[in-house]
Amino acid sequence: SAVISQKPSRDICQRGTSLTIQCQVDSQVTMMFWYRQQPGQSLTLIATANQGSEATYESGFVIDKFPISRPNLTFSTLTVSNMSPEDSSIYLCSAPSSSETQYFGPGTRLLVL
Amino acid sequence: EDQVTQSPEALRLQEGESSSLNCSYTVSGLRGLFWYRQDPGKGPEFLFTLYSAGEEKEKERLKATLTKKESFLHITAPKPEDSATYLCAVNRDDKIIFGKGTRLHILP
Repeated sequence: SAVISQKPSRDICQRGTSLTIQCQVDSQVTMMFWYRQQPGQSLTLIATANQGSEATYESGFVIDKFPISRPNLTFSTLTVSNMSPEDSSIYLCSAPSSSETQYFGPGTRLLVL
Repeated sequence: EDQVTQSPEALRLQEGESSSLNCSYTVSGLRGLFWYRQDPGKGPEFLFTLYSAGEEKEKERLKATLTKKESFLHITAPKPEDSATYLCAVNRDDKIIFGKGTRLHILP
């Protein structure tokens, strides 16, 4: 199974600022995924990040708000831009496994004041 | 529309009291049904993958089963450390669709 790490593990940010979350996988993967988990809710897919091409965003999520980089096969970043309190969530990255499922990082807990 | 529905939303059991969690799904072209465990403040931890009706997987006190329309996660003689949120998910076109989860609390 892949080992996935994220930085930071948590942060408290002011309204209007931006935060970049890093995700590192211990093996090369073609696709990486970014999810949001709002308080008390399940996981919602934000976008799929492919190396060498632009990320594919799900309905309700846009690149200007959540720009994603994928510079190589083991690393990706998600930026939460111009934050508001509604962006307070846990942000998770994941990578596919050999059994059709995905393994997840520990998450980044974001609080926007 | 593809959907994953879990029930109950929350479940409190006494230690040793066995029970089952339900996950019903409607998805075309199922490429796997998954169970995850999520502890507060952590990412989901993968438990099982099920591919076809009739399949069963076991791990310690947990057993997952699959029919054509639903999956069950059976918990036998649970312990307080089994307390967590259990998430069901399906693979549709390489995207994982999650249910809202069942919050399980085992009382000592």
